[in-house]
Amino acid sequence: DIQLTQSPSFLSASVGHRVTITCRVSRGINSFLAWYQQKPGKAPKLLIYAASTLQSGVPSRFSGSGSGTEFTLTISSLQPEDFATYYCQQLNSYPLTFGGGTKVEIK
Amino acid sequence: EVQLVESGGGLIQPGGSLRLSCTASGFNVSISYMTWVRQAPGKGLEWVSILYSAGITYYIDSVKGRFTISRDNSKNTLYLQINSLRAEDTAVYYCARGRERLNDAFDIWGQGTMVTVSS
Repeated sequence: DIQLTQSPSFLSASVGHRVTITCRVSRGINSFLAWYQQKPGKAPKLLIYAASTLQSGVPSRFSGSGSGTEFTLTISSLQPEDFATYYCQQLNSYPLTFGGGTKVEIK
Repeated sequence: EVQLVESGGGLIQPGGSLRLSCTASGFNVSISYMTWVRQAPGKGLEWVSILYSAGITYYIDSVKGRFTISRDNSKNTLYLQINSLRAEDTAVYYCARGRERLNDAFDIWGQGTMVTVSS
């Protein structure tokens, strides 16, 4: 199975700050990587697909990059509504694994 | 409006069975690839199973032989039959729709249905 390791697992940041979350993959997955945002008690929401393509309706402060085995999600200017848990997912091979999540909290 | 609504969760004893439903509106499950993802209380997301439009299915190892994903095109509904339930199957179960390109990502999610396995 392909393992996804997210770092950090927790981060505390202030509104307006730039935030970067890393997802390291145990073997190459081309660009079959997605990022999701989840708020407490809610379903995940797709942010980024194909490693770097912004899902329709998602604010442009979110961006994704990377290829091969290292990927990043960046929030250019953190907003109050961005405080949530973020997950990466690989869709290159089965099982379609998720990273362990990164919880973003208000500093 | 494009949406998914899950149902069928509940409290079930170990060894029991349950069928989860995921009813779609605004699109056809028959021409999409659909998935089930679960989340144990306080834990992260875990992919469970996928069903492609051609009928091909995949499962995570821990549910193989116990869970079956299927769909009823006439009802525009995805199902997850879960048998021989274990305590570790306790989770919120979400269904989701795949984007247009194969294995791109899952763009529409249901609200989730809770399955609690306990005696």
